[in-house]
Amino acid sequence: EPEVTQTPSHQVTQMGQEVILRCVPISNHLYFYWYRQILGQKVEFLVSFYNNEISEKSEIFDDQFSVERPDGSNFTLKIRSTKLEDSAMYFCASSEGGVIYGYTFGSGTRLTVV
Amino acid sequence: KQEVTQIPAALSVPEGENLVLNCSFTDSAIYNLQWFRQDPGKGLTSLLLIQSSQREQTSGRLNASLDKSSGRSTLYIAASQPGDSATYLCAVHFGNEKLTFGTGTRLTIIP
Repeated sequence: EPEVTQTPSHQVTQMGQEVILRCVPISNHLYFYWYRQILGQKVEFLVSFYNNEISEKSEIFDDQFSVERPDGSNFTLKIRSTKLEDSAMYFCASSEGGVIYGYTFGSGTRLTVV
Repeated sequence: KQEVTQIPAALSVPEGENLVLNCSFTDSAIYNLQWFRQDPGKGLTSLLLIQSSQREQTSGRLNASLDKSSGRSTLYIAASQPGDSATYLCAVHFGNEKLTFGTGTRLTIIP
């Protein structure tokens, strides 16, 4: 069964550093998403991406964050100047046709900022 | 504000029992609802997707129902097994591009 692949599975970074989280969505999917889950809290929406541009973003997704689809397969989330409170599990998801098709999530990247 | 609530937060049942997990949402104008399973420290595995026009979906021992008018969905698990132990998340599409998640129900099946 097709999978959404995320790398790395765990990343530790120092406060103030930049990190890039990588995702390979399912190949025929057109909609891409990032979510995060702070330990013990709800899964929260960060951003949706379609047709090479952001289609929706949450209030969490401020100038510290950016997304990119640098080639035909990868979808990345960049976090600049990381803060302790950015420590969370970050999930990538993709969808064939958006809302009505549901999502497939990756297994997540656990980001720890020290 | 569009919110999703799951009660109880935790549930323990003996192996073999049938059980029901509950999800409620504040806005009946939904596009669809998706149930996920999350194992500790792991990703989200999609279990069932119910479109707004549907009343239920079934997959193996799982059955999910949707009642938009009352703002409720249930996930029924038949003949529970220890491998069913996980956190179950309900997530709703309220008509935009994002999913709104509940806090989940942590299910423990006692052998």
